[in-house]
Amino acid sequence: DIQMTQSPSSLSASVGDRVTITCRASQSIVSYLNWYQQKPGKAPKLLIYATSSLQSGVPSRFSGSGSGTDFTLTVSSLQPEDFATYYCQQSYSTPYTFGQGTKLGIK
Amino acid sequence: EVQLVESGGGLVQPGGSLRLSCTASEFRFIDYWMIWVRQAPGMGLEWVGSIKQDGSEKYYVDSVKGRFTFSRDNAKNSLYLQMNSLRAEDTAVYYCARLPGGAGYGMDVWGQGTTVTVSS
Repeated sequence: DIQMTQSPSSLSASVGDRVTITCRASQSIVSYLNWYQQKPGKAPKLLIYATSSLQSGVPSRFSGSGSGTDFTLTVSSLQPEDFATYYCQQSYSTPYTFGQGTKLGIK
Repeated sequence: EVQLVESGGGLVQPGGSLRLSCTASEFRFIDYWMIWVRQAPGMGLEWVGSIKQDGSEKYYVDSVKGRFTFSRDNAKNSLYLQMNSLRAEDTAVYYCARLPGGAGYGMDVWGQGTTVTVSS
């Protein structure tokens, strides 16, 4: 199985900050990497698919990059509604594993 | 509104069985792979498995193989998860989600989740 490792596991930031979350795969997944946002008690929400494609309706302050084994999610200017937990997920081969999550909190 | 609605969760004893349902509305259900994802209390997301549009291909995470079975009824726009031989570690919120296109896409519509608790 492909292991997905996110870093950091948690971080604190302020409104307006630029933040980056990293996701590393245990083997190449080409560009089959997706990012989700989850708020407490809610279902995950797809933000970015195929490394860098923004899901419809997602604000342009979210962006993704990378290839092979190393990927990043960047939020260019944090808004109050962005404080949540973020997960990466590979869709290269089953099982389509998730990273352990990054909890983004308010500083 | 495009949506998925899960049902069937509840409290079950270890070794017991439960059947979850996921009903789709306002989209062509037959066009999509469907996915089950679970989340244990306070933990991250775990991909449980997937089922192809016509039900001909199914994939399961190792921890549920031989115990869980996916099925779907496209005429009823419904997805099912039959869970047998349940264990305490199966306790989680179970989500269904749709997967547009192929492997290069993410799960773009999710249900609200249904809670399964395995305990004596």
